[in-house]
Amino acid sequence: AQSVTQPDIHITVSEGASLELRCNYSYGATPYLFWYVQSPGQGLQLLLKYFSGDTLVQGIKGFEAEFKRSQSSFNLRKPSVHWSDAAEYFCAVEYPGRRALTFGSGTRLQVQP
Amino acid sequence: DTGVSQNPRHKITKRGQNVTFRCDPISEHNRLYWYRQTLGQGPEFLTYFQNEAQLEKSRLLSDRFSAERPKGSFSTLEIQRTEQGDSAMYLCASPSRGASSTDTQYFGPGTRLTVL
Repeated sequence: AQSVTQPDIHITVSEGASLELRCNYSYGATPYLFWYVQSPGQGLQLLLKYFSGDTLVQGIKGFEAEFKRSQSSFNLRKPSVHWSDAAEYFCAVEYPGRRALTFGSGTRLQVQP
Repeated sequence: DTGVSQNPRHKITKRGQNVTFRCDPISEHNRLYWYRQTLGQGPEFLTYFQNEAQLEKSRLLSDRFSAERPKGSFSTLEIQRTEQGDSAMYLCASPSRGASSTDTQYFGPGTRLTVL
């Protein structure tokens, strides 16, 4: 079955510390990969996406993500977290032959001062 | 602001009532998607349209749910005989461009449904 796993339900980091959020997907062929962020009461905002090419992609708000085919992973990183980054982060995958996105269950990020 | 609007933003209804939500996608766009997000979960796909044609429906879309997209513009999602389990955020998404194999879905603010 096509699935997306975000193993960390909740992560707490200190402001200024680095961040890595994990995402793994199931399937053989390379899908299209996305990271979205959702603040409380808000809709989903696209952070970045990977379709093909360079496996390190840059997004908005200083985020980047690296696609690793051998690990079926697309982890999100940020070198220095700001208090405003506190939100829920969702990894999403568009599998070949489908138009719909399959989402992970999300990682809630808390930022300590 | 993604350019996708949804109305109403909040809806409270009693069990057994019918509700209808509306989505206005990015203009000049031929695809439109509906998702449902329950508390603590990621969004789950419900259905999508290409122009006025409903091309795919999830198993989550029971026969109490119906979606339409007349004239390929705005879309409505109706839930008949609502149940408490229908309480969720209903999200609409619209890609940034017309017909492309690398569309990116942009989401509206959602309609939060509470069934009492």
